[in-house]
Amino acid sequence: GAVVSQHPSWVICKSGTSVKIECRSLDFQATTMFWYRQFPKQSLMLMATSNEGSKATYEQGVEKDKFLINHASLTLSTLTVTSAHPEDSSFYICSARTGTGSSPLHFGNGTRLTVT
Amino acid sequence: AQSVAQPEDQVNVAEGNPLTVKCTYSVSGNPYLFWYVQYPNRGLQFLLKYITGDNLVKGSYGFEAEFNKSQTSFHLKKPSALVSDSALYFCAVGSKLTFGTGTRLQVTL
Repeated sequence: GAVVSQHPSWVICKSGTSVKIECRSLDFQATTMFWYRQFPKQSLMLMATSNEGSKATYEQGVEKDKFLINHASLTLSTLTVTSAHPEDSSFYICSARTGTGSSPLHFGNGTRLTVT
Repeated sequence: AQSVAQPEDQVNVAEGNPLTVKCTYSVSGNPYLFWYVQYPNRGLQFLLKYITGDNLVKGSYGFEAEFNKSQTSFHLKKPSALVSDSALYFCAVGSKLTFGTGTRLQVTL
């Protein structure tokens, strides 16, 4: 149980275009989802907390107009990288929680974004 | 602010030997502590957690971790390492997960 599906697993786009990444909880409802970014050989950096039916909460230093997050239902959150640039190339990972704050997060398999 | 430190970038161990991956934390109040494992180009898989209760926590794939409040540590352990355990291991704290920098475990024959 507690499967999180993230799509696409990899994407290559041209500079200036936008890319949407989907995160779905397949067998549970997730009121809260989290989006992380991971640079090569580095840890995960929390970008934002996505709450169903409300605006996402962004971490300090994350541009909310560039990284648009929508949590339209209890099983789907999307991250759109707008007007992507090469420096946005990274590994993006979503996660979802099944219960309270002490419950473990379940992670998607990540999306490798390369902006050319 | 909460933080996690993983002092070792890499740990090397021979298959069959015990392994330890170190983690220390800093948090106000009672900590929620987690260990996750990441295989190449994949998301993270949950191994185990400590919330309250017994200081020795048993998790997936034979891993366990010991919570030590006085030393603010939560080291990951396994009695007998396998080559398939080779991966990147992250310690994390809190409900939104503040991650350590990760420790690469390399198990060799």
